[in-house]
Amino acid sequence: DAGITQSPRHKVTETGTPVTLRCHQTENHRYMYWYRQDPGHGLRLIHYSYGVKDTDKGEVSDGYSVSRSKTEDFLLTLESATSSQTSVYFCAISPGGSQETQYFGPGTRLLVL
Amino acid sequence: QKEVEQNSGPLSVPEGAIASLNCTYSDRGSQSFFWYRQYSGKSPELIMSIYSNGDKEDGRFTAQLNKASQYVSLLIRDSQPSDSATYLCAPAGNMLTFGGGTRLMVKP
Repeated sequence: DAGITQSPRHKVTETGTPVTLRCHQTENHRYMYWYRQDPGHGLRLIHYSYGVKDTDKGEVSDGYSVSRSKTEDFLLTLESATSSQTSVYFCAISPGGSQETQYFGPGTRLLVL
Repeated sequence: QKEVEQNSGPLSVPEGAIASLNCTYSDRGSQSFFWYRQYSGKSPELIMSIYSNGDKEDGRFTAQLNKASQYVSLLIRDSQPSDSATYLCAPAGNMLTFGGGTRLMVKP
């Protein structure tokens, strides 16, 4: 497995609380991504990063922010969690380049009550 | 936006049969594709990549890319119950756009 870890792996929180998910890699890859996966919607890109402090929005970025202060860490923050953000969140990494694939972390299951 | 369509299934095949999974895409500029397999409750894992028109074989798996018709397919020969999973296709690029996936069920 590519060296990717996500924490926490499971989280239950209440509506309106802030939540931060962490993705950590040991591969020194340039690109890091956050996806959410929901039944009927497949994998959807939330935000991605192409370097330290360089981030951009994906398809479903509303309600989410990210930060990358070190190559190995990419944080996803839900400023004020809502029930619609209940999902499975996957981090992925890639060396970059149009022919390079992405490698996925184990995922975080988030339940917002 | 690269749009990718897959039949959600489930596609049910008997053990030992050939499973054929298809994916159509809208961006004519897409040059290469990835196939991922995702077991229930697990993360997607790459199983095949195809970078040019035609067929690419890897063990029991064959990926086919037809750029003129804008489809890519994955054939699984001698299907096994362990192949039961959801298969996702995505055109290559720094921002992958995944199809919704096809759930494959291989029955013993």
